[in-house]
Amino acid sequence: SAVISQKPSRDICQRGTSLTIQCQVDSQVTMMFWYRQQPGQSLTLIATANQGSEATYESGFVIDKFPISRPNLTFSTLTVSNMSPEDSSIYLCSVVLAYTDTQYFGPGTRLTVL
Amino acid sequence: SQKIEQNSEALNIQEGKTATLTCNYTNYSPAYLQWYRQDPGRGPVFLLLIRENEKEKRKERLKVTFDTTLKQSLFHITASQPADSATYLCALVNTGGFKTIFGAGTRLFVKA
Repeated sequence: SAVISQKPSRDICQRGTSLTIQCQVDSQVTMMFWYRQQPGQSLTLIATANQGSEATYESGFVIDKFPISRPNLTFSTLTVSNMSPEDSSIYLCSVVLAYTDTQYFGPGTRLTVL
Repeated sequence: SQKIEQNSEALNIQEGKTATLTCNYTNYSPAYLQWYRQDPGRGPVFLLLIRENEKEKRKERLKVTFDTTLKQSLFHITASQPADSATYLCALVNTGGFKTIFGAGTRLFVKA
């Protein structure tokens, strides 16, 4: 398995501001993803983080709102921009390790927007 | 459209009994299926992976079956314990990629 860390673990933010979430993995990974999980809901894929190039976004998610960087194989950031209360959610980093099919998740970042 | 269905109602069982959770899917041809455990406010924790050509997989007290004809997976926890209380998520990955689709999860409560 892998050790996946996310920072911050939680934050309370004001409407209109932005928050950047970091994800660091201690192992070689092939793929990195960002998910959102709203209260009482299942996981929704935001985007696939691509190393050294623009992320691949799912329907309903755009780069201006959720810019993502992945400068190397084991690190990625997700920014939630111009936040509104509807962005209150848990944001999860997920990876697929090299030479495996298994998808692992970080501990999540709990975001509350007032 | 592609759909994954898990029991939306919570499952309440007595300690020591076997818990059985169901995952049904439609309009999907998964290469493999994964089960996760999620505790409140935490990220999902991987439990088991079963491939389309496997019928059954076991790990300690856990057993997963996968029936591609019925389009169903069953997840069993034998000799259940209160510490097994959590939400269990089913996730399918399609052939040729890592486009994972998650079910909404089933909440399990094990009473002492």
